[in-house]
Amino acid sequence: AQSVTQPDIHITVSEGASLELRCNYSYGATPYLFWYVQSPGQGLQLLLKYFSGDTLVQGIKGFEAEFKRSQSSFNLRKPSVHWSDAAEYFCAVRFMEYGNKLVFGAGTILRVKS
Amino acid sequence: EPEVTQTPSHQVTQMGQEVILRCVPISNHLYFYWYRQILGQKVEFLVSFYNNEISEKSEIFDDQFSVERPDGSNFTLKIRSTKLEDSAMYFCASKDRGTTGELFFGEGSRLTVL
Repeated sequence: AQSVTQPDIHITVSEGASLELRCNYSYGATPYLFWYVQSPGQGLQLLLKYFSGDTLVQGIKGFEAEFKRSQSSFNLRKPSVHWSDAAEYFCAVRFMEYGNKLVFGAGTILRVKS
Repeated sequence: EPEVTQTPSHQVTQMGQEVILRCVPISNHLYFYWYRQILGQKVEFLVSFYNNEISEKSEIFDDQFSVERPDGSNFTLKIRSTKLEDSAMYFCASKDRGTTGELFFGEGSRLTVL
């Protein structure tokens, strides 16, 4: 079955430090890749997406992600974290060979310490 | 900016009662989805809806669940006889085009079954 893995359940970083959240997905020839952020009690906000082209994509709030097909990965990065980035981050993949639905990872909770 | 709106934001119900969760997708969108997130777990796909019919559903979406687009603007999820394990946050999402369109999520409806 199609799956998305976020190996880190919790991550704590200091404000101003860099951040990388990992995401791996099971094999799919044509994955469409997304990162969403969810603040407590809120809905899911799209940070960025990758469909094709340049494998390094820029998103909102200073986030970027790099698609590496050879590693089946789509890691999210930010060079300098702000306290307001504390939230839960979800990687999601649409496997075009398997329909139109998004498959979500389990999420990574980001804590930012000052 | 157009958004997906969901009502109610929180509903408490007794086990065995029927519940209807409502969603107003973005007006020019054609694809509609329901996802759910049980507390502390990942976001799970329930059902997708296109051209007035279900296009895909998960194994979670059993006979107790139904969806409807009654009037061209609302998109509803009905749970016929709620169970304790239906307690979750339910997210509605919509998308404008089939291949590369992104899903826009509402802020969710929290259902608590007692």
